[in-house]
Amino acid sequence: GAVVSQHPSRVICKSGTSVKIECRSLDFQATTMFWYRQFPKKSLMLMATSNEGSKATYEQGVEKDKFLINHASLTLSTLTVTSAHPEDSSFYICSDGYTFGSGTRLTVV
Amino acid sequence: GENVEQHPSTLSVQEGDSAVIKCTYSDSASNYFPWYKQELGKRPQLIIDIRSNVGEKKDQRIAVTLNKTAKHFSLHITETQPEDSAVYFCAASESNYQLIWGAGTKLIIKP
Repeated sequence: GAVVSQHPSRVICKSGTSVKIECRSLDFQATTMFWYRQFPKKSLMLMATSNEGSKATYEQGVEKDKFLINHASLTLSTLTVTSAHPEDSSFYICSDGYTFGSGTRLTVV
Repeated sequence: GENVEQHPSTLSVQEGDSAVIKCTYSDSASNYFPWYKQELGKRPQLIIDIRSNVGEKKDQRIAVTLNKTAKHFSLHITETQPEDSAVYFCAASESNYQLIWGAGTKLIIKP
């Protein structure tokens, strides 16, 4: 089946810095990638949908300038958390719609 | 838009017994219903799915049933084992495969 590779799996960063999370589709071309955020013991919350070669579609309440999404190629989509704050600490996970990446545990200190 | 409700939020069953998790959806246009299993700190993994042209699907100890008229679908796990302990999520989507998620069910298998 399809494989989505996500990196890094864990990252700790200081407040005010930016963190980039990558999702790669290893054996297929993903024109669309979904980015989720998951709080402890909660369901997945869709943040945005990235589309190869065009602007991402953000869900209501998600700040576009804070969560930058780039989908420049059919195999790579990235989420950059800019000027991170402790409240951005969460589990971020990407999906092509069927298969999920392994997730990124972000801790902002 | 679509809304998916999932019950119960926590389910505790004796090892060897069956577990049933139920979901309802609101949008009759939804035609794809996957179930995911998520172990603590790990990615959700697709365990079974069903499309709207089918009423039931089985894969060994796992089965999913779909009632389109009532707009609900259920996950059935028989002969539960300790490794079945996890959080299970249902989801629904139309053909654009953007999933709308249920809130999750924590399944506890008691030895």
